[in-house]
Amino acid sequence: DAKTTQPTSMDCAEGRAANLPCNHSTISGNEYVYWYRQIHSQGPQYIIHGLKNNETNEMASLIITEDRKSSTLILPHATLRDTAVYYCIVRVGVTWMDSSYKLIFGSGTRLLVRP
Amino acid sequence: KAGVTQTPRYLIKTRGQQVTLSCSPISGHRSVSWYQQTPGQGLQFLFEYFSETQRNKGNFPGRFSGRQFSNSRSEMNVSTLELGDSALYLCASSRSSGQATYEQYFGPGTRLTVT
Repeated sequence: DAKTTQPTSMDCAEGRAANLPCNHSTISGNEYVYWYRQIHSQGPQYIIHGLKNNETNEMASLIITEDRKSSTLILPHATLRDTAVYYCIVRVGVTWMDSSYKLIFGSGTRLLVRP
Repeated sequence: KAGVTQTPRYLIKTRGQQVTLSCSPISGHRSVSWYQQTPGQGLQFLFEYFSETQRNKGNFPGRFSGRQFSNSRSEMNVSTLELGDSALYLCASSRSSGQATYEQYFGPGTRLTVT
């Protein structure tokens, strides 16, 4: 699985968009980009994933560059409850018959949302 | 639908003892993974079970073991506890949909303290 690089920490004001970057320059064509977050002392929470197209769900948007070497997670209107560590993970797409559901977490980005 | 549940939530053990942690996955999910989280090492994959079989194992000593039952519930066991085993142990479940992508849903974790 490709390695990812994220800033150690970021902050943004409540109500503003939070843009969290992730570099994955060695990503392969069959690898997906996943984002999880972990609020203090809780289990990680799945946010979104994508292959090459931009994706949006009720929590966030994922923008993947055309060369797929980097991506940005966007929280459109950050709230204090979005303060957490955000993990960008690159994982090959597999079927449940082919492989296992192992995730390799890096250090993540600690996002602080300021009031 | 109920989320992933883990019991107990907190546990204090003494060096040399053994401990068993339990995880109940989301209904219908057949894959259960275990992770260890410590301040120094971050989130690390322990092992994954699918249909009562261990499919993948992380880089942990043999003191760490697990099993999965026919109802997909899983237990992990740590024997001969060491101080360094103090950690948050997280369980995650995934469904086996045959799709190329998947999400893992994490439980709240069991915080183990070894004294």
